[in-house]
Formats: sequence, C-alpha cells, structure tokens
Amino acid sequence: DGGITQSPKYLFRKEGQNVTLSCEQNLNHDAMYWYRQDPGQGLRLIYYSQIVNDFQKGDIAEGYSVSREKKESFPLTVTSAQKNPTAFYLCASSIGGDNAYEQYFGPGTRLTVT
Amino acid sequence: AQTVTQSQPEMSVQEAETVTLSCTYDTSESDYYLFWYKQPPSRQMILVIRQEAYKQQNATENRFSVNFQKAAKSFSLKISDSQLGDAAMYFCAYCLRWAGSYQLTFGKGTKLSVIP
Repeated sequence: DGGITQSPKYLFRKEGQNVTLSCEQNLNHDAMYWYRQDPGQGLRLIYYSQIVNDFQKGDIAEGYSVSREKKESFPLTVTSAQKNPTAFYLCASSIGGDNAYEQYFGPGTRLTVT
Repeated sequence: AQTVTQSQPEMSVQEAETVTLSCTYDTSESDYYLFWYKQPPSRQMILVIRQEAYKQQNATENRFSVNFQKAAKSFSLKISDSQLGDAAMYFCAYCLRWAGSYQLTFGKGTKLSVIP
C-alpha cells in the first residue's frame, strides 16, 4: 500500500535532548512538508522540501532542522533550542509541479518533552 | 501574509441534518486554492474538498459542498445528511497557486459533533 509513515506514534524526551522524527513516503512524491499542531490551533508549517537535497524554512523553523537526502525520507530534528517542543507533528507529501497543492498527510507523532 | 479565520470553534448537528461551517480568508492574490480538511480522533488529516479560485462553480464531493464567495473571501463547507462518522475537527486551508511552493495556511479549526 502506498502512503506516508511516521514513527513512532508517541515519543518522550527529556528537556535538553535533540530528537529526530521519522517521515517516509512511498508515493513517489517530490515535495514533503512538516507541520506542527498545538491544542486549539491549526497546523503551522515548519519546513518543506520540493526536491532532494533542497529545503526551505516555513513559518516556525526556529529550533528545528531537516534533511532530504532521499526522495522517500524527510526527517525532522527537534533541537534543544526549540523552546516549546511538546506538540503533535504531522508530515505531508505532494506530487509536485502543478499538482503540488494536494498534500497527503501521515498519521503524526505526538512528542512530549519533560 | 495570508490568514484564515474559522469563527466557530465548536458546532453540533443532529444526525441526518445539514450543517454549514464558516471560513473567511484574507489575501491580496487572485489565483489560489482553498481546502477543507477533516481530522477525526485518530488525528489523520483527510482532504474533504478542494476549490480553485479561478473556478466560479462551487465544488461538490458527495454529501460535502462549498459556497465559495471570492469577492467576500468566504469559503463555507456544507455537510448534508450528517453521519456519526462526520464528527471531527474541520480545518479550512488556503494555498497560493505559485510554482515556487505550495504552502498551506490553516485556520484554527471547528470541532463538529454529531448527535444521534
């Protein structure tokens, strides 16, 4: 089955530690995105990548880093510089080109930092 | 910057009835897309319906339809014959149609409850 996988579903870390969230897609999509969702809020864009080895900051990139070494993978690292890392993180992908607007989402990772 | 506003944090509807969720947006652009996404308790985001701004005809997908008023910058979602499975958070989203990127801007969501 084609789709987007995010692992793990729940992640717990101590404050001051970096943590990497996984996002893999087998849809052969060119573009991938990371969003953050807080209670009572919509999704906010952290980073996006339209092609391998290239990525751009979104609205709330501070304290996060990404890489795009393979088309299928777009891991997100939450660094210790992120002041409020506890949130629900969603990864998405889209075909790219003229159809890049239609984004497909993964199941998300709930990160709790204490 | 584009903004998306959903003024109804929560709504409820009786099963089999019709409900309309509101969304307004602010943009100076003329070519863009608008979306409604559904997020059930599983938290998986599901695309419900899409509207291209250049199309005057309102989009329809089975029991879901939109009322797109471009001049008023309004994009409401109508759910007909509501079912228990429609209970979820609904997010309105905007995307500028530009070859450089397709960033989605989301509203804060409306929580829809369906009463049996």
